[in-house]
Amino acid sequence: QQQVKQSPQSLIVQKGGISIINCAYENTAFDYFPWYQQFPGKGPALLIAIRPDVSEKKEGRFTISFNKSAKQFSLHIMDSQPGDSATYFCAATSSGSARQLTFGSGTQLTVLP
Amino acid sequence: DGGITQSPKYLFRKEGQNVTLSCEQNLNHDAMYWYRQDPGQGLRLIYYSQIVNDFQKGDIAEGYSVSREKKESFPLTVTSAQKNPTAFYLCASSMMSTGEGEQFFGPGTRLTVL
Repeated sequence: QQQVKQSPQSLIVQKGGISIINCAYENTAFDYFPWYQQFPGKGPALLIAIRPDVSEKKEGRFTISFNKSAKQFSLHIMDSQPGDSATYFCAATSSGSARQLTFGSGTQLTVLP
Repeated sequence: DGGITQSPKYLFRKEGQNVTLSCEQNLNHDAMYWYRQDPGQGLRLIYYSQIVNDFQKGDIAEGYSVSREKKESFPLTVTSAQKNPTAFYLCASSMMSTGEGEQFFGPGTRLTVL
């Protein structure tokens, strides 16, 4: 099963709050889990990524938490800002798939000022 | 200035016409990809190519065709056989030989069938 399930579909957060987006996968061959950020009318840009041998990775206000046994991973955006308003996609890939990315369905984040 | 360029930004097509979307990269990346994005859905892989003169179908290749005659270029043709071509098309590239092959995306082409 190649699917990556992402939730919620949309999220509204107050400025300064924490945004949390969750993803789950089935394929245990996945070995790299990137998150992409996309602004309207633009291409996605890599935000942060994690490998399954670590449980957490932090870059500035963005943190990925990874639960290998549950096959779940999540993106936390601390101190959310209006400029973070965008669509966020989780993805997964494996070395045996020519590094094809399997994307979640996306979460539209709105951070209110 | 390295990156991926896609043209045109907007494209309008009449039903029954074939159209070709351009994708060029100067990152010296080996692999290139085409994705389709529809509202409320994630990106779906149409075709990908790991080396020149070779390409593979992705999950939704029907009604599309590609070529990879040069390392820098990976054009996508949307044929009249594609029943619902209106979508946002994204091209990406990656260096397969290093790390996890992070994919870099172009700015996209929005195709509308009139």
